[in-house]
Amino acid sequence: ETGVTQTPRHLVMGMTNKKSLKCEQHLGHNAMYWYKQSAKKPLELMFVYNFKEQTENNSVPSRFSPECPNSSHLFLHLHTLQPEDSALYLCASSQGDSTNEKLFFGSGTQLSVL
Amino acid sequence: LAKTTQPISMDSYEGQEVNITCSHNNIATNDYITWYQQFPSQGPRFIIQGYKTKVTNEVASLFIPADRKSSTLSLPRVSLSDTAVYYCLVVLHGSSNTGKLIFGQGTTLQVKP
Repeated sequence: ETGVTQTPRHLVMGMTNKKSLKCEQHLGHNAMYWYKQSAKKPLELMFVYNFKEQTENNSVPSRFSPECPNSSHLFLHLHTLQPEDSALYLCASSQGDSTNEKLFFGSGTQLSVL
Repeated sequence: LAKTTQPISMDSYEGQEVNITCSHNNIATNDYITWYQQFPSQGPRFIIQGYKTKVTNEVASLFIPADRKSSTLSLPRVSLSDTAVYYCLVVLHGSSNTGKLIFGQGTTLQVKP
């Protein structure tokens, strides 16, 4: 148990659906992250929030919309996705912006877009 | 910009010591080196972190030479359950001076009986 909880664990959606991924951390951290991992590929950083403010958007398409209402919760709203968006979506948290950050990951949401 | 280079894959046998080396030629003065382990369909898990010389914990050792341009993760006496992808990470500093935690391709370690 890493202290970072993601729901749902698995999600199947059509290209016209709207769904949301949820992440919650119980570690008292100030930074939260979304990463995407496609099959047999490295993790791709998508978004970073620090003290609820978005500090990084790694050229992510607008069909992915993050929301961070407080330092403990992070959402990823999905709409009109494409089949190539099927991947494992990982949430992580860390204490804040420093050079020795340790990331704590959730178990991920395995997303399939049909 | 700091970038890491690791071997794509390694094979080992149970009971052997495994050393995985990572190159990070452009590491910045304040950057730490962090290693993660990832099993299939799970998030990466922190293994060890260091700045220079040697760091050891209950799981692994990390060796960092004086120039800090590389680091070596050492796993003593591996078992089948150590089969995983191992990532070396340094903070990627961009023009905005905001640190990004970027994962490279990682090293897929296969431990055989």
